[in-house]
Amino acid sequence: GESVGLHLPTLSVQEGDNSIINCAYSNSASDYFIWYKQESGKGPQFIIDIRSNMDKRQGQRVTVLLNKTVKHLSLQIAATQPGDSAVYFCAENPPGGGADGLTFGKGTHLIIQP
Amino acid sequence: KAGVTQTPRYLIKTRGQQVTLSCSPISGHRSVSWYQQTPGQGLQFLFEYFSETQRNKGNFPGRFSGRQFSNSRSEMNVSTLELGDSALYLCASSQGRPGQTQYFGPGTRLLVL
Repeated sequence: GESVGLHLPTLSVQEGDNSIINCAYSNSASDYFIWYKQESGKGPQFIIDIRSNMDKRQGQRVTVLLNKTVKHLSLQIAATQPGDSAVYFCAENPPGGGADGLTFGKGTHLIIQP
Repeated sequence: KAGVTQTPRYLIKTRGQQVTLSCSPISGHRSVSWYQQTPGQGLQFLFEYFSETQRNKGNFPGRFSGRQFSNSRSEMNVSTLELGDSALYLCASSQGRPGQTQYFGPGTRLLVL
């Protein structure tokens, strides 16, 4: 079946460096993607989203890039801080709307080195 | 605006029992979705309710059920609990229109012994 997946289970970066978390999706008809951050003991927290008619979207310290040609999504975090330590999930919203559940990747655990 | 709330936060049950979990969505949100999160399977969609109707369902057995009330609050029930039902159960709310972001609650941690 089609699924959304992440390339690396763990990513370790130095505090202050930029982080890039990658995600591959297989449903070429998907039209909406979301990045969530989940800290230990908490539910996923919305970070940023992007629709398929865009290839880049920026937020505060975060940027999401969408490459529809290779079905790839990435999350860039600028000047990584200790508070950025968490598991990051990309999620795919199936084509046609919100009636179906989100399909999540397995997650990447971002570890910040002091 | 208050976020999504879930009760209880932690629960311990034994095999064969049943459990009911509760979710209150963000004010104004009419859609509530439920997910199961385990280390092995990750986040998996259970079902979604909109205006008191189940709009979509994931690939879970009939032991998992839910309902939504007129105030959009939702409950999910798991009957005849199995050890494998131990998980973090998350609910998420949205306004319910296509392509809208879902916002998650803190989850209920269920342990089945």
